[in-house]
Amino acid sequence: GQQVMQIPQYQHVQEGEDFTTYCNSSTTLSNIQWYKQRPGGHPVFLIQLVKSGEVKKQKRLTFQFGEAKKNSSLHITATQTTDVGTYFCYDSGGSNYKLTFGKGTLLTVNP
Amino acid sequence: DAGVIQSPRHEVTEMGQEVTLRCKPISGHNSLFWYRQTMMRGLELLIYFNNNVPIDDSGMPEDRFSAKMPNASFSTLKIQPSEPRDSAVYFCASTYGGSGYNEQFFGPGTRLTVL
Repeated sequence: GQQVMQIPQYQHVQEGEDFTTYCNSSTTLSNIQWYKQRPGGHPVFLIQLVKSGEVKKQKRLTFQFGEAKKNSSLHITATQTTDVGTYFCYDSGGSNYKLTFGKGTLLTVNP
Repeated sequence: DAGVIQSPRHEVTEMGQEVTLRCKPISGHNSLFWYRQTMMRGLELLIYFNNNVPIDDSGMPEDRFSAKMPNASFSTLKIQPSEPRDSAVYFCASTYGGSGYNEQFFGPGTRLTVL
């Protein structure tokens, strides 16, 4: 089945530094959703990207969908301690109905 | 709305016992998902219902696992008999529409420990 690979697996930054996580697929993605899970919590929806080359922003967070719809990225500018958590990308699998979460990137922020 | 409700929040049981996890989706949502999360395997989709009908159960590990959705407001995930390797956090999520095109709303999860 289709796999979405997420890198890096872990990222530790100093508060104020930037952070980026990438989601890659060998096949074309239908759409991409991003979720955040705080430690001990449950995944919470952040955003959905549908169109090739799409870019969306939420305050310090920037989400991109690749031109070929085979990759996506989440960039956080000037991280804060509240950004700590695991960020997951999710592919709905289109007509295959193969719903796939990436393994996630765990972000820790040193104050 | 109360969000997705799961019970129990924590379950500790002994190997061989039957475990039943419960989920109440958000009212009006017609798709429901059961996930299992472990450090080793991440977030795995176990089964997905649409309009109370199982659409994809290919993620169900083995015959010890079964899931039902008797109506639009209730679903169960049963493990019988349970084994220590079933220890994980089990999430239920719901959404509206088919497939996974719309955002999923996750419940707080059930942390299962099988001794």
